[in-house]
Amino acid sequence: GAVVSQHPSRVICKSGTSVKIECRSLDFQATTMFWYRQFPKQSLMLMATSNEGSKATYEQGVEKDKFLINHASLTLSTLTVTSAHPEDSSFYICSAQRRGTANYGYTFGSGTRLTVV
Amino acid sequence: AQKITQTQPGMFVQEKEAVTLDCTYDTSDPSYGLFWYKQPSSGEMIFLIYQGSYDQQNATEGRYSLNFQKARKSANLVISASQLGDSAMYFCAMREVSTGGFKTIFGAGTRLFVKA
Repeated sequence: GAVVSQHPSRVICKSGTSVKIECRSLDFQATTMFWYRQFPKQSLMLMATSNEGSKATYEQGVEKDKFLINHASLTLSTLTVTSAHPEDSSFYICSAQRRGTANYGYTFGSGTRLTVV
Repeated sequence: AQKITQTQPGMFVQEKEAVTLDCTYDTSDPSYGLFWYKQPSSGEMIFLIYQGSYDQQNATEGRYSLNFQKARKSANLVISASQLGDSAMYFCAMREVSTGGFKTIFGAGTRLFVKA
Protein backbone atom coordinates (compact mmCIF):
# COMPACT_ATOMS: atom_id res chain seq x y z
CA GLY A 1 0.00 0.00 0.00
CA ALA A 2 0.86 3.72 0.07
CA VAL A 3 1.78 4.25 -3.57
CA VAL A 4 2.31 7.67 -5.07
CA SER A 5 2.32 8.02 -8.82
CA GLN A 6 4.10 10.96 -10.37
CA HIS A 7 3.69 11.78 -14.02
CA PRO A 8 5.43 12.39 -16.32
CA SER A 9 8.72 10.83 -15.33
CA ARG A 10 10.60 12.81 -17.91
CA VAL A 11 9.70 15.88 -19.94
CA ILE A 12 11.53 18.12 -22.34
CA CYS A 13 9.95 21.44 -23.16
CA LYS A 14 10.82 24.60 -24.99
CA SER A 15 11.76 27.73 -23.13
CA GLY A 16 8.71 29.88 -22.47
CA THR A 17 6.20 27.04 -22.33
CA SER A 18 4.47 25.64 -19.26
CA VAL A 19 4.71 22.13 -17.91
CA LYS A 20 2.33 20.38 -15.55
CA ILE A 21 3.46 17.59 -13.24
CA GLU A 22 0.93 15.39 -11.50
CA CYS A 23 1.27 13.68 -8.16
CA ARG A 24 -1.38 11.16 -7.31
CA SER A 25 -1.82 8.97 -4.27
CA LEU A 26 -3.20 5.72 -5.61
CA ASP A 27 -4.42 3.84 -2.59
CA PHE A 28 -4.74 6.35 0.19
CA GLN A 29 -5.93 9.85 0.92
CA ALA A 30 -3.17 12.35 1.27
CA THR A 31 -3.75 15.05 3.83
CA THR A 32 -0.73 16.94 2.71
CA MET A 33 1.48 16.81 -0.33
CA PHE A 34 4.93 18.25 -0.68
CA TRP A 35 6.90 19.33 -3.71
CA TYR A 36 10.67 19.16 -3.77
CA ARG A 37 13.32 20.12 -6.21
CA GLN A 38 16.62 18.34 -6.44
CA PHE A 39 19.64 19.63 -8.30
CA PRO A 40 22.24 17.13 -9.51
CA LYS A 41 24.14 15.54 -6.66
CA GLN A 42 22.37 17.70 -4.12
CA SER A 43 19.78 17.23 -1.45
CA LEU A 44 16.08 17.81 -1.77
CA MET A 45 14.86 21.35 -1.42
CA LEU A 46 11.32 21.77 -0.21
CA MET A 47 9.45 24.09 -2.54
CA ALA A 48 5.97 24.10 -1.11
CA THR A 49 3.48 22.30 1.06
CA SER A 50 -0.05 21.85 -0.17
CA ASN A 51 -3.11 20.88 1.78
CA GLU A 52 -6.24 19.77 0.02
CA GLY A 53 -8.61 22.62 -0.64
CA SER A 54 -6.32 25.40 0.51
CA LYS A 55 -3.55 27.48 -0.95
CA ALA A 56 -0.07 26.04 -0.94
CA THR A 57 2.52 27.31 1.49
CA TYR A 58 5.67 28.22 -0.38
CA GLU A 59 9.15 28.18 1.03
CA GLN A 60 11.15 31.35 1.07
CA GLY A 61 12.68 32.11 -2.28
CA VAL A 62 10.24 30.01 -4.31
CA GLU A 63 8.24 32.04 -6.81
CA LYS A 64 4.55 31.38 -6.33
CA ASP A 65 3.62 32.68 -9.74
CA LYS A 66 6.17 30.52 -11.45
CA PHE A 67 5.48 27.28 -9.64
CA LEU A 68 1.73 26.93 -9.43
CA ILE A 69 0.48 24.24 -7.10
CA ASN A 70 -3.03 22.94 -7.07
CA HIS A 71 -4.30 20.37 -4.60
CA ALA A 72 -7.84 19.88 -5.74
CA SER A 73 -8.53 16.57 -4.08
CA LEU A 74 -7.19 14.27 -1.40
CA THR A 75 -5.47 12.18 -4.03
CA LEU A 76 -4.12 14.68 -6.53
CA SER A 77 -1.74 17.59 -6.47
CA THR A 78 -0.26 19.29 -9.51
CA LEU A 79 2.79 21.46 -9.99
CA THR A 80 2.83 23.71 -13.04
CA VAL A 81 6.09 25.31 -14.03
CA THR A 82 5.01 28.39 -15.94
CA SER A 83 7.10 30.07 -18.63
CA ALA A 84 9.86 27.57 -18.07
CA HIS A 85 13.47 28.55 -18.60
CA PRO A 86 16.63 26.45 -18.78
CA GLU A 87 17.44 27.26 -15.15
CA ASP A 88 14.22 25.50 -14.18
CA SER A 89 15.66 22.24 -15.46
CA SER A 90 15.79 19.95 -12.48
CA PHE A 91 14.42 16.84 -10.84
CA TYR A 92 11.08 17.48 -9.16
CA ILE A 93 9.73 15.05 -6.57
CA CYS A 94 6.43 15.02 -4.77
CA SER A 95 5.60 13.27 -1.55
CA ALA A 96 2.36 12.60 0.22
CA GLN A 97 1.46 12.09 3.82
CA ARG A 98 -1.22 9.54 4.43
CA ARG A 99 -4.23 10.92 6.19
CA GLY A 100 -4.15 10.02 9.86
CA THR A 101 -0.48 9.12 10.03
CA ALA A 102 1.12 12.01 11.79
CA ASN A 103 4.21 10.15 12.83
CA TYR A 104 5.34 8.12 9.90
CA GLY A 105 7.21 8.45 6.70
CA TYR A 106 6.01 10.13 3.63
CA THR A 107 5.62 8.29 0.39
CA PHE A 108 7.47 9.79 -2.50
CA GLY A 109 6.67 9.82 -6.15
CA SER A 110 9.27 8.55 -8.58
CA GLY A 111 10.18 12.05 -9.66
CA THR A 112 10.03 14.08 -12.84
CA ARG A 113 13.11 15.12 -14.72
CA LEU A 114 12.41 18.40 -16.43
CA THR A 115 14.69 19.65 -19.17
CA VAL A 116 14.01 23.06 -20.63
CA VAL A 117 15.69 23.72 -23.95
CA ALA B 1 22.79 27.39 10.16
CA GLN B 2 22.56 23.81 8.97
CA LYS B 3 19.65 22.03 10.54
CA ILE B 4 20.56 18.61 9.26
CA THR B 5 24.20 17.67 8.80
CA GLN B 6 25.50 14.60 7.09
CA THR B 7 29.26 14.83 7.23
CA GLN B 8 30.07 11.87 5.00
CA PRO B 9 29.62 12.69 1.32
CA GLY B 10 30.67 9.17 0.39
CA MET B 11 31.16 5.87 2.18
CA PHE B 12 32.51 2.49 1.13
CA VAL B 13 31.58 -0.75 2.82
CA GLN B 14 32.37 -4.35 2.08
CA GLU B 15 29.44 -6.58 1.28
CA LYS B 16 28.02 -8.33 4.37
CA GLU B 17 29.60 -5.86 6.75
CA ALA B 18 27.75 -3.24 8.79
CA VAL B 19 27.99 0.48 8.08
CA THR B 20 26.97 3.58 10.01
CA LEU B 21 25.84 6.73 8.26
CA ASP B 22 26.06 9.84 10.40
CA CYS B 23 23.41 12.46 10.88
CA THR B 24 23.24 15.34 13.34
CA TYR B 25 20.43 17.81 13.63
CA ASP B 26 19.56 21.07 15.27
CA THR B 27 16.16 22.11 16.52
CA SER B 28 14.61 23.91 19.45
CA ASP B 29 11.30 22.15 18.96
CA PRO B 30 10.83 19.47 21.66
CA SER B 31 8.64 17.44 19.32
CA TYR B 32 10.19 16.37 16.05
CA GLY B 33 10.63 13.37 13.84
CA LEU B 34 13.72 11.98 12.20
CA PHE B 35 13.69 9.98 8.98
CA TRP B 36 16.08 8.16 6.76
CA TYR B 37 15.48 7.72 3.05
CA LYS B 38 17.28 5.81 0.35
CA GLN B 39 17.55 7.15 -3.17
CA PRO B 40 18.84 4.67 -5.76
CA SER B 41 20.22 5.88 -9.05
CA SER B 42 16.74 5.67 -10.54
CA GLY B 43 15.74 8.66 -8.43
CA GLU B 44 12.82 7.49 -6.35
CA MET B 45 12.90 8.09 -2.63
CA ILE B 46 12.36 5.10 -0.39
CA PHE B 47 11.42 5.51 3.25
CA LEU B 48 13.61 3.39 5.53
CA ILE B 49 13.05 4.25 9.16
CA TYR B 50 11.51 6.77 11.52
CA GLN B 51 12.39 7.95 15.04
CA GLY B 52 10.20 10.24 17.08
CA SER B 53 11.79 12.62 19.53
CA TYR B 54 9.87 11.10 22.42
CA ASP B 55 10.49 7.50 21.47
CA GLN B 56 12.32 5.73 24.26
CA GLN B 57 13.83 3.02 22.14
CA ASN B 58 15.88 3.16 19.00
CA ALA B 59 13.90 2.38 15.89
CA THR B 60 14.64 -0.77 13.94
CA GLU B 61 13.34 -1.98 10.58
CA GLY B 62 14.87 -5.19 9.37
CA ARG B 63 18.53 -4.54 8.59
CA TYR B 64 18.14 -0.86 9.40
CA SER B 65 18.45 0.59 12.86
CA LEU B 66 18.64 4.14 14.04
CA ASN B 67 21.14 5.04 16.74
CA PHE B 68 19.27 7.91 18.37
CA GLN B 69 21.28 9.97 20.85
CA LYS B 70 19.00 12.81 21.81
CA ALA B 71 21.42 14.73 24.01
CA ARG B 72 23.98 14.74 21.24
CA LYS B 73 21.30 15.44 18.62
CA SER B 74 22.43 12.61 16.45
CA ALA B 75 20.44 10.03 14.54
CA ASN B 76 22.85 7.73 12.80
CA LEU B 77 21.63 5.01 10.48
CA VAL B 78 23.14 1.56 10.88
CA ILE B 79 22.82 -0.89 8.03
CA SER B 80 23.75 -4.41 9.00
CA ALA B 81 24.93 -7.09 6.58
CA SER B 82 25.30 -4.73 3.62
CA GLN B 83 24.13 -5.90 0.23
CA LEU B 84 25.12 -4.74 -3.21
CA GLY B 85 21.63 -3.34 -3.63
CA ASP B 86 22.24 -0.99 -0.73
CA SER B 87 24.47 1.14 -2.94
CA ALA B 88 22.55 4.39 -3.14
CA MET B 89 22.27 7.89 -1.80
CA TYR B 90 20.97 8.10 1.76
CA PHE B 91 19.25 11.15 3.16
CA CYS B 92 18.58 12.02 6.76
CA ALA B 93 15.58 14.28 7.30
CA MET B 94 13.91 16.06 10.16
CA ARG B 95 10.31 17.09 10.46
CA GLU B 96 9.55 19.95 12.78
CA VAL B 97 6.68 22.27 13.40
CA SER B 98 6.47 25.17 10.99
CA THR B 99 4.03 27.88 10.02
CA GLY B 100 0.96 26.18 8.67
CA GLY B 101 1.92 22.73 9.86
CA PHE B 102 5.03 20.64 9.59
CA LYS B 103 8.10 21.02 7.49
CA THR B 104 10.62 18.39 6.56
CA ILE B 105 14.16 19.32 5.70
CA PHE B 106 16.81 17.06 4.30
CA GLY B 107 20.49 16.65 4.84
CA ALA B 108 22.94 16.78 1.96
CA GLY B 109 23.04 13.02 1.72
CA THR B 110 25.67 10.30 1.88
CA ARG B 111 26.47 8.17 -1.11
CA LEU B 112 27.07 4.57 -0.06
CA PHE B 113 29.09 2.20 -2.21
CA VAL B 114 28.91 -1.49 -1.34
CA LYS B 115 31.86 -3.49 -2.62
CA ALA B 116 31.60 -7.15 -3.58
